[in-house]
Amino acid sequence: DVKVTQSSRYLVKRTGEKVFLECVQDMDHENMFWYRQDPGLGLRLIYFSYDVKMKEKGDIPEGYSVSREKKERFSLILESASTNQTSMYLCASGGTSGDEAPEQYFGPGTRLTVT
Amino acid sequence: GQQLNQSPQSMFIQEGEDVSMNCTSSSIFNTWLWYKQDPGEGPVLLIALYKAGELTSNGRLTAQFGITRKDSFLNISASIPSDVGIYFCAGLANTGNQFYFGTGTSLTVIP
Repeated sequence: DVKVTQSSRYLVKRTGEKVFLECVQDMDHENMFWYRQDPGLGLRLIYFSYDVKMKEKGDIPEGYSVSREKKERFSLILESASTNQTSMYLCASGGTSGDEAPEQYFGPGTRLTVT
Repeated sequence: GQQLNQSPQSMFIQEGEDVSMNCTSSSIFNTWLWYKQDPGEGPVLLIALYKAGELTSNGRLTAQFGITRKDSFLNISASIPSDVGIYFCAGLANTGNQFYFGTGTSLTVIP
């Protein structure tokens, strides 16, 4: 069974704080993704990584950065949290168009509240 | 980013009824995935489809990859209360790394 875990289920942070969200997968996937999910807006891609130390911007990268130092671990960083970053953050890992049977597996999510 | 059109947005059905929902895109996809998400949890992968016309089942769930490659369908037969949740489709084009997601169908099953 594929397992994607996220470091926290719930987080409450103050405006201006630096926030780290960590994701770990155990399936040796090359690709890992960070999304945020908001009511009425669906799932939006923030960043993805296709290899260690490699990253690409998704649709909404502003205000975020990422780090992939090890294959199994992908971190999302909010350099200076703002209230409009209050959201559900979902990490995923899986294949892409170059794979024979690409799939994408999600972690349980981190509900972040910035006050 | 592209968002897929998913319909209906919400459904309220009696336990035991069958359910149908679909997802359409303006682009051609080579992969369609269907997920279920419970409140406060991450989406769980239900079914993956890789060929136009393909029909795949997972228990009471059946999904189809549309012939045009621009749509996909999910059916749930004999619904039960634990089917409640939000169902999402996701599509992946021939090139690129990004899955695009549907807007979700919220399913309520009335016992």
